[in-house]
Amino acid sequence: DTAVSQTPKYLVTQMGNDKSIKCEQNLGHDTMYWYKQDSKKFLKIMFSYNNKELIINETVPNRFSPKSPDKAHLNLHINSLELGDSAVYFCASSHPGGTSNSGANVLTFGAGSRLTVL
Amino acid sequence: RKEVEQDPGPFNVPEGATVAFNCTYSNSASQSFFWYRQDCRKEPKLLMSVYSSGNEDGRFTAQLNRASQYISLLIRDSKLSDSATYLCVVKITGFQKLVFGTGTRLLVSP
Repeated sequence: DTAVSQTPKYLVTQMGNDKSIKCEQNLGHDTMYWYKQDSKKFLKIMFSYNNKELIINETVPNRFSPKSPDKAHLNLHINSLELGDSAVYFCASSHPGGTSNSGANVLTFGAGSRLTVL
Repeated sequence: RKEVEQDPGPFNVPEGATVAFNCTYSNSASQSFFWYRQDCRKEPKLLMSVYSSGNEDGRFTAQLNRASQYISLLIRDSKLSDSATYLCVVKITGFQKLVFGTGTRLLVSP
């Protein structure tokens, strides 16, 4: 009964390859995100979708292409992988709007996908 | 200047100690504030929201100082299981994104 599930959990690949990470949430949330956590543990937002519509794109190289077929899914496709793409990628979801008192804007994360580019 | 700044630590404390972390944010339009906890090789999880009047949840107390633009987290009677990285998180008005600090690492020893 995982709330936010992402696959694969581990991904090891060669430079130049193309890979995808899938994410699904069963919480009924409207908004989904991709975050990247690098080797220094800094967690940085990459993309956000609200009801399948892109609302945040944080200056990510266009080798990264998110796709949201419906509001419960947000997949991340990465073309021409580079060494610097090695990181843990976290998917998350939330209900937008409201205040912190109402529980809005609280992120629920998936377990992460550890990508290693050789 | 980073949007959200934290002392990375680590803070090494014995069991039973009281420890406090601070976090500063640069955007005065910041609207909502949170503390998340991240265990090693795990995903971040919400620890507590931070309310304007301050709030407490068991051994954990969070405070917000809007004038000085900082948030604090106080942990009383530290347990070994409190060892983790504590992430300060800020939502800026008008933006649908949460900005994370780099985290403060806490190590509680027997």
